[in-house]
Amino acid sequence: NAGVTQTPKFQVLKTGQSMTLQCAQDMNHNSMYWYRQDPGMGLRLIYYSASEGTTDKGEVPNGYNVSRLNKREFSLRLESAAPSQTSVYFCASSESTGKNTIYFGEGSWLTVV
Amino acid sequence: GDSVTQMEGPVTLSEEAFLTINCTYTATGYPSLFWYVQYPGEGLQLLLKATKADDKGSNKGFEATYRKETTSFHLEKGSVQVSDSAVYFCALNRRTDKLIFGTGTRLQVFP
Repeated sequence: NAGVTQTPKFQVLKTGQSMTLQCAQDMNHNSMYWYRQDPGMGLRLIYYSASEGTTDKGEVPNGYNVSRLNKREFSLRLESAAPSQTSVYFCASSESTGKNTIYFGEGSWLTVV
Repeated sequence: GDSVTQMEGPVTLSEEAFLTINCTYTATGYPSLFWYVQYPGEGLQLLLKATKADDKGSNKGFEATYRKETTSFHLEKGSVQVSDSAVYFCALNRRTDKLIFGTGTRLQVFP
């Protein structure tokens, strides 16, 4: 059972470099999300996509862009990485109706030096 | 806006002790409430959920009851094991699928 798969699992970037985090789900879910997890702050929503073809900002979107490539895939891009973006990033998905369970990937550990 | 408040950790217990992790929320209407667990080096997994007042969610010996009158969803387990050591997140959502998380509570269980 693959569920939500995200890559890479670990990445070290230099300040100013760009990179894309990839995410795919095989549960035929309509909604997908990107969260970041920082010590003492829980998980915060960066961007989400309620359905294929739509994306919306979450709580902390600055410095990020997203692409909902198709129903399965939702990527997160850092155009010019900053040390403040050092974090653990989680992709997640759910069915489109309200109050559904959200399923998470295993996380991507990103360090910006 | 909506928010979730959890007790700060870490919570340190001996094996077979009783566990309570407090969670309270602020939200208009009737949100769904969740507990997620994150084991070391892994992503979050849904532990249990409750979608309306007085519902009790349960899984793997953990329980939580949706208390509308006290806006709470405290997590309990009668006898913890070393393997329960993890970070526990309380969360809510309302009309959309966007989860709002608490800051997490680390549980450490020693033999």
